[in-house]
Amino acid sequence: AQSVTQLDSHVSVSEGTPVLLRCNYSSSYSPSLFWYVQHPNKGLQLLLKYTSAATLVKGINGFEAEFKKSETSFHLTKPSAHMSDAAEYFCVVTPRDDFNKFYFGSGTKLNVKP
Amino acid sequence: SQTIHQWPATLVQPVGSPLSLECTVEGTSNPNLYWYRQAAGRGLQLLFYSVGIGQISSEVPQNLSASRPQDRQFILSSKKLLLSDSGFYLCAWSVRGGRTEAFFGQGTRLTVV
Repeated sequence: AQSVTQLDSHVSVSEGTPVLLRCNYSSSYSPSLFWYVQHPNKGLQLLLKYTSAATLVKGINGFEAEFKKSETSFHLTKPSAHMSDAAEYFCVVTPRDDFNKFYFGSGTKLNVKP
Repeated sequence: SQTIHQWPATLVQPVGSPLSLECTVEGTSNPNLYWYRQAAGRGLQLLFYSVGIGQISSEVPQNLSASRPQDRQFILSSKKLLLSDSGFYLCAWSVRGGRTEAFFGQGTRLTVV
């Protein structure tokens, strides 16, 4: 069975400080992993993806994530938060044996304080 | 380029009324298609997915149904809405068989009153 756990439902940081959003997955095989961002009442935008190439993945808006197979983690980071980063973030896994399905974490709401 | 259209953007419906939400994809062929629901304060729940015309897989038992009458058209329906059907509904597509991302529509905010 596949599952995704986002360890924090809410994260609050000050503008200009680092961001860390945590994600752990369970999957029978090497999965594909994604991070999406959602602004209120909007669709989901892809931030970055891991599909078995380099384990450190760089995405849009300065975000990056590192795939750590030994820890079954795919944490999202950004060196310096911007006010516009305030949104909800979803970690998503697609197992290797079923590319048709996308399993979502419960989401992390990021608040950025001025 | 590929685009996904989902409508309407917002909908207010009385309990017991029918529902039809439509989603179409342009610029690609044979996509996987998905319907997700996002309830207030909760993550995304996969409702249905389809790998081809007339092929629908349901992830959870519920008051809703889905149909795929054409390759790039996906419809979410209900004969009688319940209050618990309220939520934010998202349509998505992905490349069949590929280790690629899903692409999402802008969503429909459904309020059942």
